[in-house]
Amino acid sequence: AQSVSQHNHHVILSEAASLELGCNYSYGGTVNLFWYVQYPGQHLQLLLKYFSGDPLVKGIKGFEAEFIKSKFSFNLRKPSVQWSDTAEYFCAVSYNTDKLIFGTGTRLQVFP
Amino acid sequence: DTAVSQTPKYLVTQMGNDKSIKCEQNLGHDTMYWYKQDSKKFLKIMFSYNNKELIINETVPNRFSPKSPDKAHLNLHINSLELGDSAVYFCASAPKPGSRQYFGPGTRLTVL
Repeated sequence: AQSVSQHNHHVILSEAASLELGCNYSYGGTVNLFWYVQYPGQHLQLLLKYFSGDPLVKGIKGFEAEFIKSKFSFNLRKPSVQWSDTAEYFCAVSYNTDKLIFGTGTRLQVFP
Repeated sequence: DTAVSQTPKYLVTQMGNDKSIKCEQNLGHDTMYWYKQDSKKFLKIMFSYNNKELIINETVPNRFSPKSPDKAHLNLHINSLELGDSAVYFCASAPKPGSRQYFGPGTRLTVL
């Protein structure tokens, strides 16, 4: 079955630390990949997306993600996190233009 | 054991019809949401209920009416369906407004 895995359920970092959140998906043909973020008290927002082209995708607020087809991965990275990055992060995949499938989310806590 | 379930998974109907999509969560959450996945696969919030009370109503046509008979259910009723309503609709629930959300599998609505 098509699925998305986020192995880091809860990540705790200090400000200025580097961040990498894992996202792996099961094989299923053409994929579109997304990272959504939910800040405390807010709704989901799109952080970045990959449809085709350059596998290194840059999003808002200094985030980037790299699509590695051979590893079925789309990990999210940020060189230096801030306290304001504290949020829930969801990876999502759309297979063959079908509906989104969400990972279970990763809670990021950044301490000053 | 499914935490957030939606029925039906697929719905194909004619323009002008009235249809409902049901959502149920067994997590004991107070807050539930409806999202629409648009043609570009972006997720957009439509409604949110907390303790059966409507707390978010984004710019959605009046033809869409959510109904929450109890905290565990949030149904979406759509009148006079139009071609542009074709999309995937996601239900989600959360312990309280703004906290981490748990997504249903989505309902693909196709209007012919």
